[in-house]
Amino acid sequence: AQKITQTQPGMFVQEKEAVTLDCTYDTSDPSYGLFWYKQPSSGEMIFLIYQGSYDQQNATEGRYSLNFQKARKSANLVISASQLGDSAMYFCAMREPQAISSGSARQLTFGSGTQLTVLP
Amino acid sequence: DGGITQSPKYLFRKEGQNVTLSCEQNLNHDAMYWYRQDPGQGLRLIYYSQIVNDFQKGDIAEGYSVSREKKESFPLTVTSAQKNPTAFYLCASNDRVTNTGELFFGEGSRLTVL
Repeated sequence: AQKITQTQPGMFVQEKEAVTLDCTYDTSDPSYGLFWYKQPSSGEMIFLIYQGSYDQQNATEGRYSLNFQKARKSANLVISASQLGDSAMYFCAMREPQAISSGSARQLTFGSGTQLTVLP
Repeated sequence: DGGITQSPKYLFRKEGQNVTLSCEQNLNHDAMYWYRQDPGQGLRLIYYSQIVNDFQKGDIAEGYSVSREKKESFPLTVTSAQKNPTAFYLCASNDRVTNTGELFFGEGSRLTVL
């Protein structure tokens, strides 16, 4: 079964508007971490934001915020005031405790991504 | 500047040839990873290593091999047994101390098998 689901293969947004990228996850463990990464056309993965399952408040980093709804198992990324440079592929990822039991290795499981295009 | 360096950035090979992708990090991270990305898809874990001289298979290890002789280096060999090796390969590392376990990535290597 898929652990991370991103249902929007592609999204368009007008420059300066806000956009929400959806992510749902599946885990039975109470302790986990959720990440969002940006991948421009050049290919590198850029870390954007992190939310721990026990964090009381939604994470924010500049124009990025994470709408964390634990009961619904969703961790949507909100980008405010979109810029042309935000056009990229966006990936949601999850780290589970079972990875922590493997020692220092804490691998992430990724969703299939959402291609965001910001229109001028 | 600390970071992860992958080489080569682009690589073309004939079918049946083994290929080795280099990954070097100067972040002093214990754990290193190799992911594969196919067009329009997410990342899938090939191999990971927690410490020197130790590594474990990920979800799609068949047809790949790795070594971890030095903390800084985690090369990936794509063998002739890999049935569909054309893909984008990303190397990553993280730190056991960092609470989030955030992965740091290299810029990737794009392998095309002709």
